[in-house]
Amino acid sequence: EVQLVQSGAEVKKSGESLKISCKGSGYIFSNSWIGWVRQMPGKGLEWMGIIYPGDSDTRYSPSFEGQVTISADKSISTAYLQWSSLQASDTAMYYCARLVSSTYYFDYWGQGTLVTVSS
Amino acid sequence: QSALTQPPSASGSPGQSVTISCTGTSSDVGGYNYVSWYQQHPGKAPKLMIYEVTKRPSGVPHRFSGSKSGNTASLTVSGLQAEDEADYYCNSYAGSNNFAFFGTGTKVTVL
Repeated sequence: EVQLVQSGAEVKKSGESLKISCKGSGYIFSNSWIGWVRQMPGKGLEWMGIIYPGDSDTRYSPSFEGQVTISADKSISTAYLQWSSLQASDTAMYYCARLVSSTYYFDYWGQGTLVTVSS
Repeated sequence: QSALTQPPSASGSPGQSVTISCTGTSSDVGGYNYVSWYQQHPGKAPKLMIYEVTKRPSGVPHRFSGSKSGNTASLTVSGLQAEDEADYYCNSYAGSNNFAFFGTGTKVTVL
């Protein structure tokens, strides 16, 4: 069974750094793209970027380029999303999901990680 | 480029049908048969309901169907049930330079 399990909720202050994780199981993690999706409180879904764990090829949505860093460690089947300096506007739920890259849809999703940033 | 346009809300009584539209451009929805739809219940992760415009993943009820005409894709829920009350988002590929976009989301209410 394919599963993506994300790290737990985080409460941070503005200016702090943060790295959240997404661990895959039930499939060959290296062979599928993983995407990150943001959902701000009461708002819709937004693509942030994707990574191919096999070679760490990473692509960012223009809105998030330079704002976050996506990485992966294929040896432990885990993808990461990190911030070097959080802002209050980063408060959101963040989902990882497995991307079927041939036709660009997410077939499995993590449970989400809630990030709360206080100013 | 911005999000694909969906109506904010749609509703129907149990047993009725509801159709949600997802309007883009010839560079995304109209240019590729790579439209997918996701259902999201409050406090839950999104769930894939339709991919490649019309295909249903295993386990998704047959009352969910997808279609596309020009730059507009649609999701139809036939025979509405109480558990179909949720937010629905479309998504479309927009080419290697433009990435992909979600729709603005539609809240479906079962009256």
